[in-house]
Amino acid sequence: EVQLLESGGGLVQPGGSLRLSCAASGFTFSSYAMSWVRQAPGKGLEWVSAISSNGASTYNADSVKGRFSISRDSSKNTLYLQMNSLRAEDTAVYYCAKVASSGYYPDYWGQGTLVTVST
Amino acid sequence: EIVMTQSPATLSVSPGERATLSCRASQSVSSNLAWYQQKPGQAPRLLIYGASTRATGIPARFSGSGSGTEFTLTISSLQSEDFAVYYCQQYNIWPRSFGQGTKLEIK
Repeated sequence: EVQLLESGGGLVQPGGSLRLSCAASGFTFSSYAMSWVRQAPGKGLEWVSAISSNGASTYNADSVKGRFSISRDSSKNTLYLQMNSLRAEDTAVYYCAKVASSGYYPDYWGQGTLVTVST
Repeated sequence: EIVMTQSPATLSVSPGERATLSCRASQSVSSNLAWYQQKPGQAPRLLIYGASTRATGIPARFSGSGSGTEFTLTISSLQSEDFAVYYCQQYNIWPRSFGQGTKLEIK
């Protein structure tokens, strides 16, 4: 059974930093691309970052480019999202998602971790 | 960037009836379209990929159709557990983009 468990969310001041982690199990982590998708309170879904199976390629949405960085550690079956220069508009639930092998879409999602950027 | 537009924003349907949800892309995404279901307080769940292929464990009452710019998700006979928000997502080009969602509510 695929399991994705996010951690690291919390309250942070504007301009601050936070690192999210996602512990993966139930599949061969090193064989799949992974992604982060966020959802602001009461709003829709936004694809934030993605990373290829070997970590060589990454994608970041324009809204987070230069501030967020996605990485992975296959020895620990863990995905990360380093978030710097946080803004109020980054407040959201952040979901870790496994990317399907048949196309770059999320097929399994974690339960999410809430990041609140506020004074 | 491809803009995905879903309609209607809210759909009121009685249990046992058919629901038809629409998703339109601002440019062709071929068949690279997925549908997700999200219930309150839960993560999204993949329903359909490749515009028409049901994901593992998804009941046959869910079906997807379309290609290019026009797509439809049909739920043939609504069950109580189907009332939720539904999102479409294109994965043809970067950045990947989601529709704004359709809330399916009990009539």
